[in-house]
Amino acid sequence: NAGVMQNPRHLVRRRGQEARLRCSPMKGHSHVYWYRQLPEEGLKFMVYLQKENIIDESGMPKERFSAEFPKEGPSILRIQQVVRGDSAAYFCASSPGTGGNQPQHFGDGTRLSIL
Amino acid sequence: GEDVEQSLFLSVREGDSSVINCTYTDSSSTYLYWYKQEPGAGLQLLTYIFSNMDMKQDQRLTVLLNKKDKHLSLRIADTQTGDSAIYFCAENGRAGNNRKLIWGLGTSLAVNP
Repeated sequence: NAGVMQNPRHLVRRRGQEARLRCSPMKGHSHVYWYRQLPEEGLKFMVYLQKENIIDESGMPKERFSAEFPKEGPSILRIQQVVRGDSAAYFCASSPGTGGNQPQHFGDGTRLSIL
Repeated sequence: GEDVEQSLFLSVREGDSSVINCTYTDSSSTYLYWYKQEPGAGLQLLTYIFSNMDMKQDQRLTVLLNKKDKHLSLRIADTQTGDSAIYFCAENGRAGNNRKLIWGLGTSLAVNP
């Protein structure tokens, strides 16, 4: 049973380019969460999605960042016009539901580097 | 406000027990979680405990919860070098679901041979 799959594992972009990060949840999971992790900092919640719906995007920067979870295919976190400060590890997690006894399971992340 | 605190570093000798501590502020949390992150990898769910439990044991791992003091600990028996990682504590806060967990900054465990 495959876990949460994220790709690419590493992504290098120049300032001003676009970054697209993909996440396929675990089989049977319809809830997806995106986090950002900076060195020496903890996990910062960005957005929570269910199929085709953004439920909570309170942690997303207002500009340049967007997320989707289409009916078919992986969830995508999109960062437009990247800047140096976007360099971080981005993690996706999924869960089968939102109960406290349905914990989130994480992928191995995408390390984004901005030149 | 909601907050989770952990000490940043812990160093133990191989074969000893490790105890990683965590304090949280939201007494309405119903679930508390421990995750492990190895270098270059994602977070691996280790275990979680329901708030009406005092203790949960799973092989070498023992979780103790003191709800009165809002203190959670993770004990690793017979610590091995493969246990070297960052350990994160998280609580589910007053929402009562798993949507928006509140995370500690992680405790970096170093296991010395």
